[in-house]
Amino acid sequence: DQQVKQNSPSLSVQEGRISILNCDYTNSMFDYFLWYKKYPAEGPTFLISISSIKDKNEDGRFTVFLNKSAKHLSLHIVPSQPGDSAVYFCAASGIGNLIFGKGTKLSVKP
Amino acid sequence: DAGVIQSPRHEVTEMGQEVTLRCKPISGHNSLFWYRQTMMRGLELLIYFNNNVPIDDSGMPEDRFSAKMPNASFSTLKIQPSEPRDSAVYFCASTRYPNPQPQHFGDGTRLSIL
Repeated sequence: DQQVKQNSPSLSVQEGRISILNCDYTNSMFDYFLWYKKYPAEGPTFLISISSIKDKNEDGRFTVFLNKSAKHLSLHIVPSQPGDSAVYFCAASGIGNLIFGKGTKLSVKP
Repeated sequence: DAGVIQSPRHEVTEMGQEVTLRCKPISGHNSLFWYRQTMMRGLELLIYFNNNVPIDDSGMPEDRFSAKMPNASFSTLKIQPSEPRDSAVYFCASTRYPNPQPQHFGDGTRLSIL
């Protein structure tokens, strides 16, 4: 049973607009959440994280929101750029290891 | 700074052969993870080490898979004998333990078993 779910396999957005990627989790013991970006033929690259004691963390164009009551987090990218086109993975940490979602492929069109 | 280094980048071999994947973590990192990525199952954890000691190997699919970390700067994942269903991309990642910190990934080994 998947503990971390990304229900949208793909997302297409126009350049300059907002991209919103969503992630749901089931385990309330998770206390640290991360987003990774992955280009083809490369390993996942860390993007941004958030601790369970916060509900928002911002880094430049990237903002992660955490709603603990709904067990939901989202990644906002504003403004979206063609170079943001990649697969985005949500991950959650419990006792040291990470549980990954299956990813959402973001396409940003010029 | 050097990132996580994996070798080989690509491996093509015949069913039944032994396969050894190698990983050099980032210097100073004391926690190392092996993952496998497939279309069906996504990115799944196989095993991880803290301070060279295996902590959780529950993700290792079968006894054909084994992993070692003889020192802080080197780890291997071995498959013997290999089977076509082992074909996947294998990633190694490292981080500092025990504080929650992001894992840093290598570029993976694309393994094809014919």
